[in-house]
Amino acid sequence: QSALTQPASVSGSPGQSITISCTGTTSDIGSFTYVSWYQQHPGKAPKLMIYDVNSRPSGVSDRFSGSKSGNTASLTISGLQTEDEADYYCSSYTSSTKLGCVFGGGTKLTVL
Amino acid sequence: EVQLMQSGAEVKKPGESLRISCQVSGYTFNNYWIGWVRQMPGKGLEWMGIIYPGDFDTRYSPSFLGQVTISADRSTTTAYLQWSSLKASDTAIYYCARHGSGRRGVDYWGQGTLVTVSS
Repeated sequence: QSALTQPASVSGSPGQSITISCTGTTSDIGSFTYVSWYQQHPGKAPKLMIYDVNSRPSGVSDRFSGSKSGNTASLTISGLQTEDEADYYCSSYTSSTKLGCVFGGGTKLTVL
Repeated sequence: EVQLMQSGAEVKKPGESLRISCQVSGYTFNNYWIGWVRQMPGKGLEWMGIIYPGDFDTRYSPSFLGQVTISADRSTTTAYLQWSSLKASDTAIYYCARHGSGRRGVDYWGQGTLVTVSS
């Protein structure tokens, strides 16, 4: 069981917007601003899309945005494109383990 | 340019030992936590453990403590993941991953190493 909870799947049509949620606790998302989001295409390594809740690395499209409210973080993808179809994982710093980091279980995004 | 270059795919038998590697370049190896992430077939990402090459502080996820050993060689800027006795359930892709500064999550990933354990 993952420490962070994500929906197993979401879907949308090209051009639409979707939001993926990531729910944690006061030991992680609720108390820290170190939430990251990763995109993983089949057979590829994960790629950083969002860090520090809402910052984008250089080269990542501004169609990707992040936010946080309470113990839940969210990734929004606007203007969906077929190439956005992938698995998405959230991650957060956590004070509850010495490891200090946890992943969500992942969300499969299908672009219909 | 930051790069994490992992060793190639491995096919092993149950009970055999294995060490896979992750050689980094493009940044000061000693100054960032680097860890290993397991992805079993069709499953999500799991943290196994992390190491800080600056002082070799090593931390394991409870699920992997005693099952694997994480180490680092500062002279070759390489991190390692080692098993002493593989099981079929160790079949997975293993990624090395660099933590960003402070408490940030992973900012760079290796390409992954597929480990297949089968009799």
